[in-house]
Amino acid sequence: DGGITQSPKYLFRKEGQNVTLSCEQNLNHDAMYWYRQDPGQGLRLIYYSQIVNDFQKGDIAEGYSVSREKKESFPLTVTSAQKNPTAFYLCASSSTDQQGETQYFGPGTRLLVL
Amino acid sequence: AQSVTQPDIHITVSEGASLELRCNYSYGATPYLFWYVQSPGQGLQLLLKYFSGDTLVQGIKGFEAEFKRSQSSFNLRKPSVHWSDAAEYFCAVGPYSSASKIIFGSGTRLSIRP
Repeated sequence: DGGITQSPKYLFRKEGQNVTLSCEQNLNHDAMYWYRQDPGQGLRLIYYSQIVNDFQKGDIAEGYSVSREKKESFPLTVTSAQKNPTAFYLCASSSTDQQGETQYFGPGTRLLVL
Repeated sequence: AQSVTQPDIHITVSEGASLELRCNYSYGATPYLFWYVQSPGQGLQLLLKYFSGDTLVQGIKGFEAEFKRSQSSFNLRKPSVHWSDAAEYFCAVGPYSSASKIIFGSGTRLSIRP
């Protein structure tokens, strides 16, 4: 089955610790995205990548880092500089056809601070 | 400023009743509109999208949405809801081919009364 997988489902971070969230897709999509979701708010874009070895900051990139070494993978690192990391993190990839660009989302990772 | 407003934070309807979820947008260019559904602790699933043409769009799970340019609205409807429709619904707007610029509303949580 084609799709997007995110792991782990739950992640706990201690103070001062960096943690990495995994996102893998087998849809052969070029573009991938990371969003943060907080209760009562819409999704906010952290980083996105339109091609391997290239990525751009989104609206709330501070305290986060990414890499895109393979087309299938787009891991997100939440660094110790992110002071309020507790949130639900969603990864997405997108395809483009004559109806425009459409995003497909993974199941998410919930990050909690100990 | 570009924005998406979902005026209803939480709606409760009886099973079998009709449903309309409101979405208003402010967007400077031709909008490309989406509705997504999110079950608790899950990722977002695309219900439907509008990019051009017929202003009444049919989606999955029996949902439809109508684009009204004069009212800057893209309301989601379903003639008869099922208990499994209980979820959070997100409206989004963006340009035709740049998913990194999509703006999400803050969501409407739908509860179903037995």
